[in-house]
Formats: sequence, structure tokens, C-alpha cells
Amino acid sequence: GAGVSQTPSNKVTEKGKYVELRCDPISGHTALYWYRQSLGQGPEFLIYFQGTGAADDSGLPNDRFFAVRPEGSVSTLKIQRTERGDSAVYLCASSPGQARADTQYFGPGTRLTVL
Amino acid sequence: AQSVSQHNHHVILSEAASLELGCNYSYGGTVNLFWYVQYPGQHLQLLLKYFSGDPLVKGIKGFEAEFIKSKFSFNLRKPSVQWSDTAEYFCAGLSGGYNKLIFGAGTRLAVHP
Repeated sequence: GAGVSQTPSNKVTEKGKYVELRCDPISGHTALYWYRQSLGQGPEFLIYFQGTGAADDSGLPNDRFFAVRPEGSVSTLKIQRTERGDSAVYLCASSPGQARADTQYFGPGTRLTVL
Repeated sequence: AQSVSQHNHHVILSEAASLELGCNYSYGGTVNLFWYVQYPGQHLQLLLKYFSGDPLVKGIKGFEAEFIKSKFSFNLRKPSVQWSDTAEYFCAGLSGGYNKLIFGAGTRLAVHP
């Protein structure tokens, strides 16, 4: 079946602009995660949704970052007033539920470049 | 703070050589550990995971990992690598009561024919 999809695959923006990154999880998966991967690093957790609510947003670096999942399916990560340090690959993952044993399935990521 | 560390950032092997990639974790409580792989141009995929029971875990494509609690380690092994194993490998742990993964920095493996 279809995996996790993310759009756009690449986004180039200028410093100070607003961007939105979209994630379509696997159908029926209730848990959704956002991670950020900087060059030469492993992914870092940003936020976790269970259904429509953000169960854990402790990884969001500051209040310029915000994410929503209004209908419990598609999620959008929003970044205001982008900075060059925001440049990274933003990964989305989904899992069937909230059990610890559930595997997280990752999407291909969105590569964000802030000039 | 909870952390996962991978000692080798780059590994180069010839085909048929044996592989062992190191992973150490630093946190207490319930320990759940994973190895993910990212092949060139592809997304992260799960190789194997440890939750409980037998500390020797077998995954896909002939990979296995052993959880050694006394050494805080979860090293990945494969007895004979192939060129198609060229990829980046990430060790990860599940953090606390929430389902967020904590990743190591990754090990880039290159296998030469």
C-alpha cells in the first residue's frame, strides 16, 4: 500500500519567509511524528500527534515552529520567519497507534533550504 | 539526558567481509532499541527492533543485533556484507513514556565489490 508521503520534496525560501510542509501518513495510522535531520546528524524529534492533538511538542525549537493535524490525518508543519539555521531535511513518520511496539514508518522528507 | 551514540561515522568494507556497527545508549528505565537503514535516495526503513525477551534480535536482509544491558550496547552485525548494503545506518532508542525516537548520528557504510 501507499507509504508516508511528504510535499514538497524540496523547498527553497529566503530568510524571514513563512513555509508550510505537508505530511500524508499511511491510511489508518493514528500516530504521526515530525523529525528534523541536519547535515551529518541523525533525525531529531520535533512533535508527536495522537489523533488530532499534539501529545508531545517538546522538540519544537522555538515558537516560530508550529504543527497541526486538524482531522487526525494530514499534518502541516509551519515555520514562521525562517532562518538559515532552519535548513534541514524535515521527516514525517506515522505508526498504527500509540503502543511503544508500533513501528514508525518514515516518509522521504522535505529538504528545506533557507537562503 | 537520554542519548544514543554511534562510534563509527564511516565504515568501508569489501564484499563478504563481516560487519559490526557500534551503538551505545544512555538512559534508564524501559529500553527499546532500533536500527534503521537509509539506502541512497530512499527513506528510512526499519531493520530490526528490540523490546524484550531474547537479547539477540534478527532483522531483515540477514542483519542481527545483540542487546547487552551490562554494556549499554546494541551493536548491529552481519556476517557477510554485499555491495547492496551500502547505506547509512541509524541506531535509535525510544524515549521514556512517549513514543519519540532518539537517534544516533548515523554510520555511513560503503561496500566495495
